[in-house]
Amino acid sequence: TQLLEQSPQFLSIQEGENLTVYCNSSSVFSSLQWYRQEPGEGPVLLVTVVTGGEVKKLKRLTFQFGDARKDSSLHITAAQPGDTGLYLCAGEGTYNTDKLIFGTGTRLQVFP
Amino acid sequence: NAGVTQTPKFRVLKTGQSMTLLCAQDMNHEYMYWYRQDPGMGLRLIHYSVGEGTTAKGEVPDGYNVSRLKKQNFLLGLESAAPSQTSVYFCASSYGLEGFTDTQYFGPGTRLTVL
Repeated sequence: TQLLEQSPQFLSIQEGENLTVYCNSSSVFSSLQWYRQEPGEGPVLLVTVVTGGEVKKLKRLTFQFGDARKDSSLHITAAQPGDTGLYLCAGEGTYNTDKLIFGTGTRLQVFP
Repeated sequence: NAGVTQTPKFRVLKTGQSMTLLCAQDMNHEYMYWYRQDPGMGLRLIHYSVGEGTTAKGEVPDGYNVSRLKKQNFLLGLESAAPSQTSVYFCASSYGLEGFTDTQYFGPGTRLTVL
């Protein structure tokens, strides 16, 4: 079974700080997605990375897919209260290609 | 364009009761999914459908049944609810053009408590 573990599980920071969230596995993934989920709502897709070493930027958010396609990171520069939410990574397995495997999530709180 | 809608938003059941959760999408998506979300465990796939009239088991299908009689609707049934089924349930849909990595659009969730 392919698993995705995220760290840290919880993160509380002040507005303006930088942070990095990690998504790790011992297995290779064909592609990896990052979602953000706000309280009381469903997850919303932020980005999909498909190539080992790929870096994608979405305003203040930078996503990177590991060279070996076993891990990914999300870096937020100058965090804002609007970044508060649950961040989930999800991967398409190389063995179980009939579903996405979701990570355990990182809950981020940004205080003004 | 409502996207993905789920009814009800909240429900409390007693052990052994049954209920059906309804998911509807107006985006003409082929694929639909039911997930459950529990603290510290991310989202786990219960059942999914790749088209009208088709269903398949996901990672945690036991205790649940589904039906997709119409393309726009995907129903999740609990025949005999158990406390272990207390969770937040999310429905999602996608075009399916790139298989399961297509962007999935999620509904707002149903919070179910089984006493």
